[in-house]
Amino acid sequence: KAGVTQTPRYLIKTRGQQVTLSCSPISGHRSVSWYQQTPGQGLQFLFEYFSETQRNKGNFPGRFSGRQFSNSRSEMNVSTLELGDSALYLCASSLSTPGRYNSYEQYFGPGTRLTVT
Amino acid sequence: TQLLEQSPQFLSIQEGENLTVYCNSSSVFSSLQWYRQEPGEGPVLLVTVVTGGEVKKLKRLTFQFGDARKDSSLHITAAQPGDTGLYLCAGLQGGSEKLVFGKGTKLTVNP
Repeated sequence: KAGVTQTPRYLIKTRGQQVTLSCSPISGHRSVSWYQQTPGQGLQFLFEYFSETQRNKGNFPGRFSGRQFSNSRSEMNVSTLELGDSALYLCASSLSTPGRYNSYEQYFGPGTRLTVT
Repeated sequence: TQLLEQSPQFLSIQEGENLTVYCNSSSVFSSLQWYRQEPGEGPVLLVTVVTGGEVKKLKRLTFQFGDARKDSSLHITAAQPGDTGLYLCAGLQGGSEKLVFGKGTKLTVNP
């Protein structure tokens, strides 16, 4: 079974531009989550989608948005890029959503390394 | 304030040594996961612990979940260079249904 794929793997953008990142989950996984990873803050949760609906959202500004398609593929968009948005953006898929009787194990893609200059 | 505190932040040891890394919180988690991340890759799930006091073994790795489900530890016996990586713990918060990650322990095992 193929793992989680993310495209592109590397991106260089300038301040003020916008960017769209793509994630294809493991076949059969309906939950997709996005994380931002930086050396200073570690892994921080952006949002989670399940069946095309945003179920949960982290503490990020509205410049960060996402969506999920009917085939469970997901995209995230960052508008008006700032230098501080430089990070590794990770997508993770899971069979279902978190819950009391579901340990919510995540399977991560390799990430997209975004550099904002 | 980080919800999950991992210690130590960095650890450099020689091949064959034993080590323990810790993941602590003042919050209760319904489950806790450990991941290992290698440079240029995404984290890979190692184990999930669910029950307070639970101990799980994965070859040379031993994971323990605290009785109160607020903390966890990872012990590696006879470390090998292949164990090198960033070890992350992640707790599932029952109320918010969010997975919260610690900042990680960067382990280097020198041959």
